[in-house]
Amino acid sequence: GAVVSQHPSWVICKSGTSVKIECRSLDFQATTMFWYRQFPKQSLMLMATSNEGSKATYEQGVEKDKFLINHASLTLSTLTVTSAHPEDSSFYICSARDPGRGGSYGYTFGSGTRLTVV
Amino acid sequence: QKEVEQDPGPLSVPEGAIVSLNCTYSNSAFQYFMWYRQYSRKGPELLMYTYSSGNKEDGRFTAQVDKSSKYISLFIRDSQPSDSATYLCAMSAGSGYSTLTFGKGTMLLVSP
Repeated sequence: GAVVSQHPSWVICKSGTSVKIECRSLDFQATTMFWYRQFPKQSLMLMATSNEGSKATYEQGVEKDKFLINHASLTLSTLTVTSAHPEDSSFYICSARDPGRGGSYGYTFGSGTRLTVV
Repeated sequence: QKEVEQDPGPLSVPEGAIVSLNCTYSNSAFQYFMWYRQYSRKGPELLMYTYSSGNKEDGRFTAQVDKSSKYISLFIRDSQPSDSATYLCAMSAGSGYSTLTFGKGTMLLVSP
């Protein structure tokens, strides 16, 4: 099946710095990718939908100036957490539509990035 | 009331037990139902999926959907220690790029 590669798997950064997370679709093109955030013992919350060649669509309550999303190619989307603060510490997961699977079942997830801001 | 309710557990069972995991939901528009398995510090992987009401079986796993009760279940037979993970239910109202709504996940621990 389709594979989504996400890097880094974990990162520790100082408060006030920026962190970039990469999400790549391997062996398939993803015109749309999704970014989720997951706090401990909480469900995955959709942050934004990343569209290749256009602006991302952010969910209500997600600061677009803080969470910059760039989807410059059909296989790569990046999420940059700008001026990170401890409350941004979370597990970030990307997802892409698997072209081999139809309907709402066809989402493949990356392995996630554990961000810790100190 | 949250859209999707799921008991976070943990649910501890001995190896070989039958496991029942459940979710309830409030949005009657949901038609697509999925179960994902998530190992610690990893992304979710699709385990089972069903459309509308009914049952679906795949090996040791059975997914059930009862739309009249807004209740979905995942059964695991002959549970193995390798099944220890968090199981998330997810659902959506439409096909294509419809947004998935996830439950919080139930942590399952299968002891040898």
